[in-house]
Amino acid sequence: DIQLTQSPSFLSASVGDRVTITCRASQDISSYLAWYQQKPGKAPKLLIYAASTLESGVPSRFSGSGSGTEFTLTISSLQPEDFGTYYCQQLNSYFGQGTRLEIK
Amino acid sequence: EVQLVESGGGLVKPGGSLRLSCAASGFTFGDVWMTWVRQAPGKGLEWVGRSKSKNDGGTTDYAAPVKDRFTISRDESKNMLYLQMNGLKSDDTAIYYCTTDLQLRQHWGQGTLVTVSS
Repeated sequence: DIQLTQSPSFLSASVGDRVTITCRASQDISSYLAWYQQKPGKAPKLLIYAASTLESGVPSRFSGSGSGTEFTLTISSLQPEDFGTYYCQQLNSYFGQGTRLEIK
Repeated sequence: EVQLVESGGGLVKPGGSLRLSCAASGFTFGDVWMTWVRQAPGKGLEWVGRSKSKNDGGTTDYAAPVKDRFTISRDESKNMLYLQMNGLKSDDTAIYYCTTDLQLRQHWGQGTLVTVSS
C-alpha cells in the first residue's frame, strides 16, 4: 500500500505569511493527488485536485504543485479564515495524517 | 449535477452489523470507481475501501482495519453503492462518506453517522 506522509503536522503562522505543506508518497502516484481543508465540525472541502488544479470557487491564494512522490500545497498570503486541518489524498485511496494550521 | 447520498447509519452494539447505502446520480455509475471514507470523532480522514469499475476489473480493496469485516458492493441497475459492516467495534464509530472521482476530481456525499456502543 502507498503511504502519504504530510509535514509538518502542526503549523502556526501569521496573517499574510506564505505557508507550505508537503505531502510525500511512498511510491510514484503521478498527479493523482488532492488537497482538502477541514474546519471543526464540518465536512472536508476540496481545494486542489490532480495535484495542481484549483477547485472552482477556491481562492487563488491556494495552489498545488508536484508529481510523482512529492507534492506541496501553498497558501500565498495566509488569511484568518484559512485555519483548519489540511489533508492530502491519493485519488480513491489513502490520506495523509493531516496538518493542523493555526493562525497566530 | 453529481449527487451522492448516504443512508443507513445509526446506533449499533459492538459485534453487530449494519449496511450503509449510497445513492449516486448525475454520472454513469458503471464507469467510475466508488470509495468509502470515514472520520472518527476528533480523528483524521481514513480511507475505508473502494470498488473499481468493471472496465478496471470490478474488484474491491480494503484498508487493513476493516478487511475481512467490511464488504463493498454495488448494484449498477439501481446506481447504488453499499458498505456491509460486520463485527463492528467501538473504533468503527465515525461519519462514513461515499466518494467518487470524475475526471480526477473527487465528489463526496454528506455522510452518515455510525455509532457503535452498548
